[in-house]
Amino acid sequence: AQKVTQAQTEISVVEKEDVTLDCVYETRDTTYYLFWYKQPPSGELVFLIRRNSFDEQNEISGRYSWNFQKSTSSFNFTITASQVVDSAVYFCALSEGSGNTPLVFGKGTRLSVIA
Amino acid sequence: DTGVSQDPRHKITKRGQNVTFRCDPISEHNRLYWYRQTLGQGPEFLTYFQNEAQLEKSRLLSDRFSAERPKGSFSTLEIQRTEQGDSAMYLCASSLGGEGPYNEQFFGPGTRLTVL
Repeated sequence: AQKVTQAQTEISVVEKEDVTLDCVYETRDTTYYLFWYKQPPSGELVFLIRRNSFDEQNEISGRYSWNFQKSTSSFNFTITASQVVDSAVYFCALSEGSGNTPLVFGKGTRLSVIA
Repeated sequence: DTGVSQDPRHKITKRGQNVTFRCDPISEHNRLYWYRQTLGQGPEFLTYFQNEAQLEKSRLLSDRFSAERPKGSFSTLEIQRTEQGDSAMYLCASSLGGEGPYNEQFFGPGTRLTVL
């Protein structure tokens, strides 16, 4: 069975601080994709990053970076130098197989960035 | 606008009434997904289509829920005899889908349903 756990319900940081959002997943498939989505107050889900199970290389994209560790089934997401506009709910999601399958989402982490 | 569109954006109905939501995917996207999101939760998968074929419907919440995509383009999600527990945001997503490399799901703005 697939499962995504985001243990952090809410996080508050002061602007310019770095913040890491945690995600732990469960799957029996050896092939899968992991995602982070952002949901601002407007409500629309915005795709941020994607990683497949065969690529554990961690990368940085602008202010975003992620740490994928298969050994601990974790896919953590870091925002560097947070900004007020980063305030949103962030969801981690899993898709088994080729990835063209329905997403399983975590419950989300609400991030508040205070000026 | 070439994104996924949903109509209506908001729907208020009385318990027991039927409601229907529409989703227009991105042009040429052959895969279409429906999710439901309740307050404080992540989106929960309901059903999806490859063109007009419904690939999975066992996750629909009850037999009051049905979806179709008759011509492989837009899709409708119907809830019959609505209950207060049906109050949620209903999200639609589309992708190029099929086998092979992953194709990203693009989400629409959602339809917020309130059942009084």
